[in-house]
Amino acid sequence: DAKTTQPTSMDCAEGRAANLPCNHSTISGNEYVYWYRQIHSQGPQYIIHGLKNNETNEMASLIITEDRKSSTLILPHATLRDTAVYYCIVRPYNTDKLIFGTGTRLQVFP
Amino acid sequence: GAGVSQSPSNKVTEKGKDVELRCDPISGHTALYWYRQSLGQGLEFLIYFQGNSAPDKSGLPSDRFSAERTGGSVSTLTIQRTQQEDSAVYLCASSLARGGTNEKLFFGSGTQLSVL
Repeated sequence: DAKTTQPTSMDCAEGRAANLPCNHSTISGNEYVYWYRQIHSQGPQYIIHGLKNNETNEMASLIITEDRKSSTLILPHATLRDTAVYYCIVRPYNTDKLIFGTGTRLQVFP
Repeated sequence: GAGVSQSPSNKVTEKGKDVELRCDPISGHTALYWYRQSLGQGLEFLIYFQGNSAPDKSGLPSDRFSAERTGGSVSTLTIQRTQQEDSAVYLCASSLARGGTNEKLFFGSGTQLSVL
């Protein structure tokens, strides 16, 4: 199974872009990259996912490198409500379960 | 309801007692997952149900843990002879189907289990 590596924690000023990196150097060609976040005392929330192309939705953008060995989640204008733990997950092609790592704790400050 | 519902939201029990945790997935979702999260830790996969297929039980930590899903909808996670190390938040999630955009998991708010 492809593993992911994320920084333990990051800070970001309110209103600035938050760029959260993720390394997945052993990813296979048909494995998707998913991002979820968990705000304190809540269940995780889906943010975005992608395979090869960059993706954007109302919450964030996902930039995947051409070799697919890493990706970056971008929150274009971080707010205090974006303070959460962000999980980068690679879903193995032969299973439906998502294995969560320890994630990146993002602190947005005023 | 519109989301995944879990009950109870909090459960306090004594060591050695059995507990049952319930999950009502989103209507029409064929996949159901159980995770647990100890204080300050990440999510630990426990078990996964998909339609009528045999469940993936590979994450259950011991034979004291079991889960069933009746009629392809409601699921119950049972912990027998609870131990203090079972104290955690137990999270349930559901999704539509396998692959692509249907793989979004929707999580409930969890059950906080405290074993005294």
